[in-house]
Amino acid sequence: DTAVSQTPKYLVTQMGNDKSIKCEQNLGHDTMYWYKQDSKKFLKIMFSYNNKELIINETVPNRFSPKSPDKAHLNLHINSLELGDSAVYFCASSQKGAGNTIYFGEGSWLTVV
Amino acid sequence: QQQVKQSPQSLIVQKGGISIINCAYENTAFDYFPWYQQFPGKGPALLIAIRPDVSEKKEGRFTISFNKSAKQFSLHIMDSQPGDSATYFCAASHGGYQKVTFGTGTKLQVIP
Repeated sequence: DTAVSQTPKYLVTQMGNDKSIKCEQNLGHDTMYWYKQDSKKFLKIMFSYNNKELIINETVPNRFSPKSPDKAHLNLHINSLELGDSAVYFCASSQKGAGNTIYFGEGSWLTVV
Repeated sequence: QQQVKQSPQSLIVQKGGISIINCAYENTAFDYFPWYQQFPGKGPALLIAIRPDVSEKKEGRFTISFNKSAKQFSLHIMDSQPGDSATYFCAASHGGYQKVTFGTGTKLQVIP
């Protein structure tokens, strides 16, 4: 069983469209994250939720809206997609607490054309 | 603002050699320093981690050396193998909610 699973794995869409990426974890963790990895492989945190509550909200355009229906799920909705949104988006989870391992999904490769 | 600086950007090592990746941080509040390994098409996975109260941690062929006064830490891969070829990220975090700051990554290629 995949610990952190996200769908879709690949997504090609046109500028201006709205798209969503879904994530689920079966590790029983209470904290989930969205990370963005750009073409240069740079990894940056976007959002973090703990027990459905938004904890970390980095400087991300308002077009990005995360939603956590329960602590096992964290979805990312992106409005009015732009070329610069093309990246790999990783969902991750961990148990709250310093030093607890963060487990990443396999990524969702978004290409905006 | 890049709070964790990582070098080199890429590294080619012969099989059996030692791979060394260096990182430096600025924020003295950081209290947890993990290294992640990422294979192409996969998500990063925790490799090894250290806290600032120790100067070295070893797990198999992987060793972290930590210098708190210099605010530097490094990953050493002994007896490097082609299967170690991947991108390695150092990282640092503090606080219970784990706002992890990643380095810029090092692409390691181990040639036979």
